[in-house]
Amino acid sequence: ETGVTQSPTHLIKTRGQQVTLRCSSQSGHNTVSWYQQALGQGPQFIFQYYREEENGRGNFPPRFSGLQFPNYSSELNVNALELDDSALYLCASSVQGLPNQPQHFGDGTRLSIL
Amino acid sequence: AQKITQTQPGMFVQEKEAVTLDCTYDTSDPSYGLFWYKQPSSGEMIFLIYQGSYDQQNATEGRYSLNFQKARKSANLVISASQLGDSAMYFCAMRDHGGATNKLIFGTGTLLAVQP
Repeated sequence: ETGVTQSPTHLIKTRGQQVTLRCSSQSGHNTVSWYQQALGQGPQFIFQYYREEENGRGNFPPRFSGLQFPNYSSELNVNALELDDSALYLCASSVQGLPNQPQHFGDGTRLSIL
Repeated sequence: AQKITQTQPGMFVQEKEAVTLDCTYDTSDPSYGLFWYKQPSSGEMIFLIYQGSYDQQNATEGRYSLNFQKARKSANLVISASQLGDSAMYFCAMRDHGGATNKLIFGTGTLLAVQP
């Protein structure tokens, strides 16, 4: 069973730039959720993708956007990067309709904004 | 609004001792799930244990058990026979079973340090 994989592991960008983070879901999982974890905080829900459409969104501005592909992998795009976007970005996959099953997380992408 | 509270920023425990990490939650939904995750310094979130709101028995998973007190809205994690490798951040999270998104709401975490 292949787990959740994220790329890249680390990324350094400057303010105003754009970034794309990638996530491959665990085999058999059809739903991908993205979380932002600032230093010393718990993860905050950004959005979720199911059937290639956004299936719920947290309190994040529109410059955070995403995609899901037919193979269930996903991208997180952030435009006009700000210093506060520096964080660990976690991707989690799950099976829609099975809320008692855990979301499985990748190792995350550490994004630093200079 | 749903909320998870973890009041212990950090905890120490001696190797081979048991430790309890506190978690209280707030929700008006009758159907929900509670999860505990472990996050080592490397960053990955590792699922430990799950408790459903309608489960009659407290969940157990190896050395992990969940002390679920529904009336008090608490879901404390108990780690028995602590090991050095248990040193990590521990997060309590809740998922609303009735919503379409089933997003996880996390607490702020507890940093556990196991001492030899």
